[in-house]
This record gives sequence, structure tokens and C-alpha cells, in this order.
Amino acid sequence: NAGVTQTPKFQVLKTGQSMTLQCAQDMNHNSMYWYRQDPGMGLRLIYYSASEGTTDKGEVPNGYNVSRLNKREFSLRLESAAPSQTSVYFCASRPLQGPSYNEQFFGPGTRLTVL
Amino acid sequence: GENVEQHPSTLSVQEGDSAVIKCTYSDSASNYFPWYKQELGKGPQLIIDIRSNVGEKKDQRIAVTLNKTAKHFSLHITETQPEDSAVYFCAAMKTSYDKVIFGPGTSLSVIP
Repeated sequence: NAGVTQTPKFQVLKTGQSMTLQCAQDMNHNSMYWYRQDPGMGLRLIYYSASEGTTDKGEVPNGYNVSRLNKREFSLRLESAAPSQTSVYFCASRPLQGPSYNEQFFGPGTRLTVL
Repeated sequence: GENVEQHPSTLSVQEGDSAVIKCTYSDSASNYFPWYKQELGKGPQLIIDIRSNVGEKKDQRIAVTLNKTAKHFSLHITETQPEDSAVYFCAAMKTSYDKVIFGPGTSLSVIP
């Protein structure tokens, strides 16, 4: 199992450009999440998806959109990138049952810089 | 909504000493408290967790304590080793919901 994979690993954008961060998991998990990590602020939830076909806003959704394409994939889109969106983005997934029911499994992250 | 505070933000200890990281939460309905370790360049990984019906849990050199009345929980690492150097996040969650709220993190350095 590859676990949670994210692409790309690094990205540099200019202000106003758009891009989509990709996330996929092969663990048959129901819930998926997007976080951003900034120095001194921990992990802040952007959007999450409790199941295929549903998405909900987290703490900091402004400037982002998401798509839960199927059970495996959950993408994050920046329509018009701003320097304030410079951050490290993590995708995570969580099973609905079993011994790891509450555990979130994280991908390796995407480091995004907006100039 | 839930708010999680974490102290200290940085911590340096000598190899073999103990390290303690403390967290507080605001929502008394939170009932699950995980701790994640993030090594440089990687995503966070769960190292231990505790539920609200338990006061203490131990796994080898790592232990977590929970005081529900005071809304405090702590991570204790004994006999620290250089490979314990990482950023540690505490978090709080209501298991009936799908969101975890993370603390700001503690950067732990273990000096050989």
C-alpha cells in the first residue's frame, strides 16, 4: 500500500495563477481532509469530505475549492493564488471503522510558494 | 468552536532526560485526544491517543495523561533519544463529528 500520496511535492506560482493539488489514498478510507501548515499555527483544516460526494468547509476555506472525485481521490484547487496561500499543504484520510477508526493518515505534503 | 493551546513551542532536552508537553482544550464535549509526531519533511504520524474515559495511557517510553475537569492533557517522553527530535502536535476531537482541531505544535530537540 502506498498510503496517502500527494502531487506535486513542490510548486511555485505567480499571484493570480490557478492550480490543483492532487491527493489519493489506497486504504479504502471514507473520510479525507486538506490542511495547511504555517509556522506557529499548527495544522488548520481547509476542507474535508466525510464520504464520496460530500464536502464541508473547515476553519480556513476562503480561496479554495475541493472535489471528491471518487472514494480514492480528493483534490484542492486554488482559483487565483495569493501570497497568503504560501504554505505546506497536507492531505489526510481516516477510516470509518476498525482499530484505527479515529486515526488520520497523512500524505507527505505539498510545499507551495506564491510570488 | 474548539480551541487547543500547546506549550512550550520549543523544547530542548539532553539525551536520556524526560520531556513534557502540555495542552489545554476549550470544548468540554471533546472526547478523543491524539498526539502526532512530525519528522522533518514528512507528514504527521499518530504516536499515541487517549479517550475521555481514561486518565492515563502508556506505550513504552511515551505516556499521555488527561485531566477532564481542568481540560488539560500532557505528553510525557522518558529516556529521550535523538530520534525523538521532531515537532509534536496535540489535538482534540469530538468523535461524533469528523473534525480534529490541532494545537500549534512543539519543536523538540534532543541533544546527544
